[in-house]
Amino acid sequence: KAGVTQTPRYLIKTRGQQVTLSCSPISGHRSVSWYQQTPGQGLQFLFEYFSETQRNKGNFPGRFSGRQFSNSRSEMNVSTLELGDSALYLCASSRNSESNYGYTFGSGTRLTVV
Amino acid sequence: KNQVEQSPQSLIILEGKNCTLQCNYTVSPFSNLRWYKQDTGRGPVSLTIMTFSENTKSNGRYTATLDADTKQSSLHITASQLSDSASYICVVSAAAGGGADGLTFGKGTHLIIQP
Repeated sequence: KAGVTQTPRYLIKTRGQQVTLSCSPISGHRSVSWYQQTPGQGLQFLFEYFSETQRNKGNFPGRFSGRQFSNSRSEMNVSTLELGDSALYLCASSRNSESNYGYTFGSGTRLTVV
Repeated sequence: KNQVEQSPQSLIILEGKNCTLQCNYTVSPFSNLRWYKQDTGRGPVSLTIMTFSENTKSNGRYTATLDADTKQSSLHITASQLSDSASYICVVSAAAGGGADGLTFGKGTHLIIQP
């Protein structure tokens, strides 16, 4: 059974550019959530999608956005990149949108903004 | 405000020794508590999940305990191995029915096993 796949694994971008990250959930999982992980802040929730709809959103600026497709694959976009956006971006998939079910994480995308 | 505090922040032990990691939380209402292991540069992998009524859950050499009255959990690692070197993250979920926004993450304990 394939796990959660995130692409690309590594990215280097310049300040002011935009970036799109991809997440393919486990087959049959309809919920995809995104997180930013930095050494100082730990894991912080960005947003969650379920059946192509954004279900909830964390406390991040509007430069961070996402979407989910009919096959449950999700993309996250960050526009006008800042140095502070450098982080490991993780996505997790779940069978449904209720937190009492398990969340399976991908290996993440390491974004470096220079 | 929901919070999860983990201690110690980092820990170094010799291979073969046991260790215990702590997690204190103030999440309310409580649904479940999970421990994740995260290797460097990888995503977190679930070790255990416990609901309100569960006191202990084991997964191989990993044993998690939960005291819902004091809002404390611990993760005990027995006979540590070099592959146990990782960050261990405690995650507490608010009441069932909520989404991923109901998860509160600890900042993790960075464990290093020395040969």
